[in-house]
Formats: sequence, structure tokens, C-alpha cells
Amino acid sequence: GQQVMQIPQYQHVQEGEDFTTYCNSSTTLSNIQWYKQRPGGHPVFLIQLVKSGEVKKQKRLTFQFGEAKKNSSLHITATQTTDVGTYFCAGPDLEGGATNKLIFGTGTLLAVQP
Amino acid sequence: DGGITQSPKYLFRKEGQNVTLSCEQNLNHDAMYWYRQDPGQGLRLIYYSQIVNDFQKGDIAEGYSVSREKKESFPLTVTSAQKNPTAFYLCASSIEGTGFEKLFFGSGTQLSVL
Repeated sequence: GQQVMQIPQYQHVQEGEDFTTYCNSSTTLSNIQWYKQRPGGHPVFLIQLVKSGEVKKQKRLTFQFGEAKKNSSLHITATQTTDVGTYFCAGPDLEGGATNKLIFGTGTLLAVQP
Repeated sequence: DGGITQSPKYLFRKEGQNVTLSCEQNLNHDAMYWYRQDPGQGLRLIYYSQIVNDFQKGDIAEGYSVSREKKESFPLTVTSAQKNPTAFYLCASSIEGTGFEKLFFGSGTQLSVL
């Protein structure tokens, strides 16, 4: 079935360093969403990308959707301790035909050392 | 406040026991979902529902059951057939469940086996 993989699984950075997580789908996605889950918390929606090659920014966060709509990335510039958490990408299950199902990636846990 | 309420926050299950996790939303959303999260892993879909009195199996439905008798409520029962139930369970909702909509998550229920 459709799979959504993220790398790296874990990243530890010093505060102020940049961070990037990559999301790769086995199938073409109609759209991709990104969520952040703080330790002990629940996932919170960050952003949605729909167009091929789309780039969106939220302050220090930059999101990109690949030209083939099979991959995406999240880049954080100058990390802060408030960025700590697990970042998930998610896309609809087009391969299975149930386009109302969101398949979540494996997530990237970001640790930021002050 | 509008949102999704999950209860209880922590739940313990004995061998051979069925337990039910509650999920209530007052967002007037049509679609509701149950995800399972294991430590260090992504979210896996258990069941989802787009309309009252209708629901579909997700990727890991075995050992679980749901009902959708009211728009606001989508309880999940973890049956004794689920041999490895220890996990963090997240309920979510979206406006219509088209795959293009963001998900709103509850705060989760941590289920452990005694």
C-alpha cells in the first residue's frame, strides 16, 4: 500500500542551527499537510501544500512541495527551543482509492539544545 | 470553547477486558477518525467515519470497533481480541473528510495493559 516515509527519524541540533526534514511518498499526492506534535501533546496542523513546486513560509519555517508531488520538505531556520517536537507530513490515500484517508509519515523528532 | 474532547486521559485494561475510549466534538464536523500512535512511530488509522451511522476500516482495524450514532460522538472500543493495545490513541475530526482538509485532534488517551 501507499507509504509515506520521513527522514531523518531523529535530529538533535544546537539552538540557532538550521533543521530540515524530508517526506517521501510512494505515490503522487494531491496535497500534503504538515503537523507538529509537542512532547506529551497532540498533533497540530501547520500548513497545506497543493501545487507542484509550491513553497510556503511561516516565519522561520519553509515548506516545499516537490515538482512531481511525491515529496516535500520542512526547513527551520535558526532553531529555537520552542521548535522541539515531532513533525509529521500527511497525504491522502490515493493508491487505496479512499481519498478521504490521510496517511501520516513516520515523523521526525527534533531536539534542540539551548 | 470549540474542540475535541477525549476521555479518559489515562486508561488501564485487564486481560480479556473490553474498554471504550470516548471522543466528542462540538465543531459540527462530519468526519471523525481514530489513530493509534506507538512510541517513536507515526499515526496509523484505525477507523474513520464521514457521516452518522457509517464508518470504514482503516489500516489496523482488527481488534477494534466503533459506532457513530451521533454526529458529535465517535467512541472506540478496544476489544480483548486486540493483543497489543498499549498505545496512545488520538481522535480527530475534519469538516467533510475529503482528504484536502486539516485534521483537528483531541488531546489523546494513553491506554496501558495491567
